[in-house]
Amino acid sequence: DTGVSQDPRHKITKRGQNVTFRCDPISEHNRLYWYRQTLGQGPEFLTYFQNEAQLEKSRLLSDRFSAERPKGSFSTLEIQRTEQGDSAMYLCASSLISGSYGYTFGSGTRLTVV
Amino acid sequence: AQKITQTQPGMFVQEKEAVTLDCTYDTSDQSYGLFWYKQPSSGEMIFLIYQGSYDEQNATEGRYSLNFQKARKSANLVISASQLGDSAMYFCAMRGTYGNNRLAFGKGNQVVVIP
Repeated sequence: DTGVSQDPRHKITKRGQNVTFRCDPISEHNRLYWYRQTLGQGPEFLTYFQNEAQLEKSRLLSDRFSAERPKGSFSTLEIQRTEQGDSAMYLCASSLISGSYGYTFGSGTRLTVV
Repeated sequence: AQKITQTQPGMFVQEKEAVTLDCTYDTSDQSYGLFWYKQPSSGEMIFLIYQGSYDEQNATEGRYSLNFQKARKSANLVISASQLGDSAMYFCAMRGTYGNNRLAFGKGNQVVVIP
């Protein structure tokens, strides 16, 4: 297992287009998290899954955002009708339920909306 | 809710010297965990060190140590013998007791190591 993988690494899109990002967590990790990081800030929580169930969504996650984890393995984050304010780094992390350690982050997807 | 405060401006550190990065936190939870992550310019978040609120000893991991002062609600990171590869952003984060184990992050500290 090579850790948490995110694809693509970079995405440039025009305002109004839809984009989808993928995250492949560490295989034995039950929990999967999405964070958003804007320039000069720390990551902010967006949503998380325990297995295939999406258990919490931040109020930062507008109706244009949707996330899925269909079989409790990989996850996708879709942004519809992108806006310039969506430009950010989108980070995925996974952990075990009992994890005091074990938050492993991916390298992120950097989204630029032009 | 958890809140993490990192207010130091960017720091320049001489190679081989030690550097301390400040982190204060606020929480009403009795049990919590504190983390430090390193984020180089490539973007990935690299786990450095963890301290549990009930751990009596300060955590150490190689050149990293965490100066945990529970009464003052501070969890400062000390990097000893700085190396050029330590140049990065450093984030302090907290995990609370209940719910989803999400991490709350501070705004980070920029460190540049100079030869």
